[in-house]
Amino acid sequence: GAVVSQHPSWVICKSGTSVKIECRSLDFQATTMFWYRQFPKQSLMLMATSNEGSKATYEQGVEKDKFLINHASLTLSTLTVTSAHPEDSSFYICSARSRESHNEQFFGPGTRLTVL
Amino acid sequence: ELKVEQNPLFLSMQEGKNYTIYCNYSTTSDRLYWYRQDPGKSLESLFVLLSNGAVKQEGRLMASLDTKARLSTLHITAAVHDLSATYFCATRHGGNQFYFGTGTSLTVIP
Repeated sequence: GAVVSQHPSWVICKSGTSVKIECRSLDFQATTMFWYRQFPKQSLMLMATSNEGSKATYEQGVEKDKFLINHASLTLSTLTVTSAHPEDSSFYICSARSRESHNEQFFGPGTRLTVL
Repeated sequence: ELKVEQNPLFLSMQEGKNYTIYCNYSTTSDRLYWYRQDPGKSLESLFVLLSNGAVKQEGRLMASLDTKARLSTLHITAAVHDLSATYFCATRHGGNQFYFGTGTSLTVIP
């Protein structure tokens, strides 16, 4: 089946630093990947849609200069949280869309970010 | 405005009992998903419902879809402790974007 990995699983950083999270589709090509954020005991909120080779599309209220997304290849998208602050602490989940599986989305295991 | 609402938000039930979780959505969707999430983990896919009247069952869970009412249900039969988790429904629009429901946190008490 389609597998999506994320790295790292868990990261703690100091306020003001930048953190990069990777999302990889391991056994399929993903022209589109999605980034979600989930605060404790809340639902998933779509942050942005990442298309290979083009600029990401951000949802309303998501700062594109703060959450930099790069979809450099058909199997890798990265989310960089720049100048992170404690309020950016959250669970970040990516998903990848598989053309081979009728455009279904497959979710990564998530990355827990804690900003001190 | 597109909304996906679940009811109830929190549910505590005894083992062996039955219950139904409801998912209402405001805009026509091309498919409806149910996911399970354990604490600290990502989403586990449970069901994908494609058309009106679709019904799928896996173990003690059964999901159904009524596209005319814009309603999906997740029915739990004879609950067991292992079913304790948070359950999300999600709709897909335009073949691309997912919109998640508010989630239902289920606790099954022995």
